Amino acid sequence: AQKVTQAQTEISVVEKEDVTLDCVYETRDTTYYLFWYKQPPSGELVFLIRRNSFDEQNEISGRYSWNFQKSTSSFNFTITASQVVDSAVYFCALSEAEYNFNKFYFGSGTKLNVKP
Amino acid sequence: DGGITQSPKYLFRKEGQNVTLSCEQNLNHDAMYWYRQDPGQGLRLIYYSQIVNDFQKGDIAEGYSVSREKKESFPLTVTSAQKNPTAFYLCASSMGTGTQETQYFGPGTRLLVL
Repeated sequence: AQKVTQAQTEISVVEKEDVTLDCVYETRDTTYYLFWYKQPPSGELVFLIRRNSFDEQNEISGRYSWNFQKSTSSFNFTITASQVVDSAVYFCALSEAEYNFNKFYFGSGTKLNVKP
Repeated sequence: DGGITQSPKYLFRKEGQNVTLSCEQNLNHDAMYWYRQDPGQGLRLIYYSQIVNDFQKGDIAEGYSVSREKKESFPLTVTSAQKNPTAFYLCASSMGTGTQETQYFGPGTRLLVL
């Protein structure tokens, strides 16, 4: 079974629209971390945010916001007033302890196309 | 500037040839990782190293080998035993290996088979 599911394979929006990228995860651990990364066309994964399992407070950073809900095992990412530069593939990841190291489980990514 | 560098950006492999992908970091991180990314898919772990002179297999280690002789370097060799090597390879590093550690990524190497 997938540890991290990003059901939206590709989303297209027009500039200035708001868009939410969904992420659902599965874990039995009580301590874990969730991450979002952005992969622009250049290929490098850029770290956006890290959230631990004990902190369900939503976070806002400029046009970006994240909604973490343990009850639904979801960690959704919203971009407000999207811009063409937001076009990229976005990955959600779960970090949990496996033996003595932090194993990362990545979703399959959501490709966001923002059209002018 | 601190960061992770990978070279080359593109690499072409002939049948039966071993090729080595370079990964260097100047972040003073203890842990380093190699991932493979195929089109439309997430990242899969090939190998990881928690400390110098130590490394462990990930989920898809067959056909790959690594070394960790220096803290800042973690080269990946794609051997001829890897029958489907065409992919995008990403190197990452983290301060340590606790669950709270963020992994930071390099720019990647795209490997193509001639």
